[in-house]
Amino acid sequence: QKEVEQDPGPLSVPEGAIVSLNCTYSNSAFQYFMWYRQYSRKGPELLMYTYSSGNKEDGRFTAQVDKSSKYISLFIRDSQPSDSATYLCAMSVTGGGNKLTFGTGTQLKVEL
Amino acid sequence: DAGVTQSPTHLIKTRGQQVTLRCSPKSGHDTVSWYQQALGQGPQFIFQYYEEEERQRGNFPDRFSGHQFPNYSSELNVNALLLGDSALYLCASSQVPGQGRAFFGQGTRLTVV
Repeated sequence: QKEVEQDPGPLSVPEGAIVSLNCTYSNSAFQYFMWYRQYSRKGPELLMYTYSSGNKEDGRFTAQVDKSSKYISLFIRDSQPSDSATYLCAMSVTGGGNKLTFGTGTQLKVEL
Repeated sequence: DAGVTQSPTHLIKTRGQQVTLRCSPKSGHDTVSWYQQALGQGPQFIFQYYEEEERQRGNFPDRFSGHQFPNYSSELNVNALLLGDSALYLCASSQVPGQGRAFFGQGTRLTVV
């Protein structure tokens, strides 16, 4: 069993929809949780960075962490075709600058 | 402000050969980590360099080695290439190990034939 599980999709939604992306994990030592966006043939781009449990909002993006359930989510409001990409969740025990454990990524397509 | 830069962008090597990939961290960052991303998978941690020393290592064989220079740039070396080493190799930099955010370069796509 992988430490971090993520549904690979693909997930297809109409423009303007609310998108929900999720990851579950098994290592209770994870304290830092990140979401990266990766366009085809590009490097991952950091979207959200959270520590411990709770919610964090940045523009159209909201990250939620539920450590009791070992479950994290990323919500995208008013989705746009430019949001079409692969979304990777990542986790770390001691901080984002140290070893990150990634999910497999969810491929998202936002259609006109 | 330049972000993380990697070279080359693409590379084709023959099985058994050796390869060196290069990374310049984001300005102000002194920690460099390397990841391997196979097609359709998330990145896998190879190792991390700080103060010119390997600080953490993932589950990769000794064929994978690295180096960090005094200007914080880094190299990843892979010896005795296997077909399975074909992947996107990503470099990430951060300001201080164990803290802050990691920023990734665009990667080097290595194809082993």
